Amino acid sequence: DTTVKQNPRYKLARVGKPVNLICSQTMNHDTMYWYQKKPNQAPKLLLFYYDKILNREADTFEKFQSSRPNNSFCSLYIGSAGLEYSAMYLCASSSRGRRGTEVFFGKGTRLTVV
Amino acid sequence: GNSVTQMQGQVTLSEEEFLFINCTYSTTGYPTLFWYVQYPGEGPQLLLKVTTANNKGSSRGFEATYDKGTTSFHLQKASVQESDSAVYYCVLGDQPGNTGKLIFGLGTTLQVQP
Repeated sequence: DTTVKQNPRYKLARVGKPVNLICSQTMNHDTMYWYQKKPNQAPKLLLFYYDKILNREADTFEKFQSSRPNNSFCSLYIGSAGLEYSAMYLCASSSRGRRGTEVFFGKGTRLTVV
Repeated sequence: GNSVTQMQGQVTLSEEEFLFINCTYSTTGYPTLFWYVQYPGEGPQLLLKVTTANNKGSSRGFEATYDKGTTSFHLQKASVQESDSAVYYCVLGDQPGNTGKLIFGLGTTLQVQP
C-alpha cells in the first residue's frame, strides 16, 4: 500500500479560528512533508519532519505548527486562520537518504477560510 | 537559489499528437530532476526521474533528458491519449543533502481531446 491519506478532503474555517489537518501513511517512511498549493502558484513546501525532528521553511516559520505523535501520523496546525490560508494542503512522505527517492503524495485537503 | 521554470500554463492537443513541455532549472551541484503528474482528484505522483546529466528518464511513453549544458529537462511524448489529461510538474530535488524536499514548477495543464 503506497498511499498517503489526508483528512478531511474539504475543510471550511472561520477567520480567526484554529485549523487542524491530519495525514497518515503506512509505508514506514521516516520523513513526512506538508506543501501548500494556491491557484496559479507552484506547490510550496511549508515544513517537514525527519523522524521526530521538525524543519520549518524560513518564510512560513511562524505561521504553521505541526506534530508527529508517531511514525505514521502528522498534523498541520494553524492557530488563527486568515483568508490567505485558503489553499490546497498536500501531505507527502518518503524515505530519506537515497538521492532521488520518490515522494508519495496524498490527495490533499482543500481549506477555505471565510 | 534553486528554482524551476515552466512556461506553458495550458496545452490542448488532440489524441495521437506530439507533446512537448518546456522546463529549465537553476541550481548548483548535481541535481535530481523529476516530472510529477497530477490526475484530477488525485495527489501528484512520480512520472519519471533522472539523476545523472545527459541521461534520459522514461515512463509510460513519456521521456525527458537532463541537459546540463542548457539546464533543461523538457518532457515529451510522441502520441498522447485522452487518459494523459492531467497537470504535469517539472520538479527539482532540493540540495544539498537528500532531504527529499522538492521544488516545483508552476505546472502545465494538458487537455487531450478525443
